[in-house]
Amino acid sequence: DAKTTQPPSMDCAEGRAANLPCNHSTISGNEYVYWYRQIHSQGPQYIIHGLKNNETNEMASLIITEDRKSSTLILPHATLRDTAVYYCIVRGSNTGGFKTIFGAGTRLFVKA
Amino acid sequence: NAGVMQNPRHLVRRRGQEARLRCSPMKGHSHVYWYRQLPEEGLKFMVYLQKENIIDESGMPKERFSAEFPKEGPSILRIQQVVRGDSAAYFCASSPTGTNFNEQFFGPGTRLTVL
Repeated sequence: DAKTTQPPSMDCAEGRAANLPCNHSTISGNEYVYWYRQIHSQGPQYIIHGLKNNETNEMASLIITEDRKSSTLILPHATLRDTAVYYCIVRGSNTGGFKTIFGAGTRLFVKA
Repeated sequence: NAGVMQNPRHLVRRRGQEARLRCSPMKGHSHVYWYRQLPEEGLKFMVYLQKENIIDESGMPKERFSAEFPKEGPSILRIQQVVRGDSAAYFCASSPTGTNFNEQFFGPGTRLTVL
């Protein structure tokens, strides 16, 4: 799997947008970008994923650059409950399923 | 649709005892993954199973650890002769069948403490 690079921590004010960057310069053509988060002591929670087009769901938006070498997860209106470690993961897709390689992630602190 | 279920949520064992961790995947999911998270560290892949088959066990320690996913019933992660270094949170994830991408859904984890 391609490796990803994320800043170790970020702060965000409550109610503002949180923009979490991720570099994945060695991504290959059939690999997706996935985002998960882990709130303290809980299991990781799936947020969103994409291949090359920007994606949006009820939780977040995912912006992938045209060359696919980086992406940004956007939480449009961060709340205190969004404080968590956010993991950017690149993984190939196949009917066989793949292990997920978690990096260190970005620890997001949302402050009142 | 119930999520991934793991039990027990907390497990305490003395050194040398056996630990059995159970994972029931989401309904309709036949792919199960186990991960371990040591204190203050990230999640590490251990093993990937489909029904009655181990597909990838590249992250499993060579000794004392085993996993199974029988035709009926939950997946089991078994740790024999536990040591203090096995103390960690163990997470199970499942993914759906027949899809060409695999969004993994995680359970709440089992926190193993070895005294």
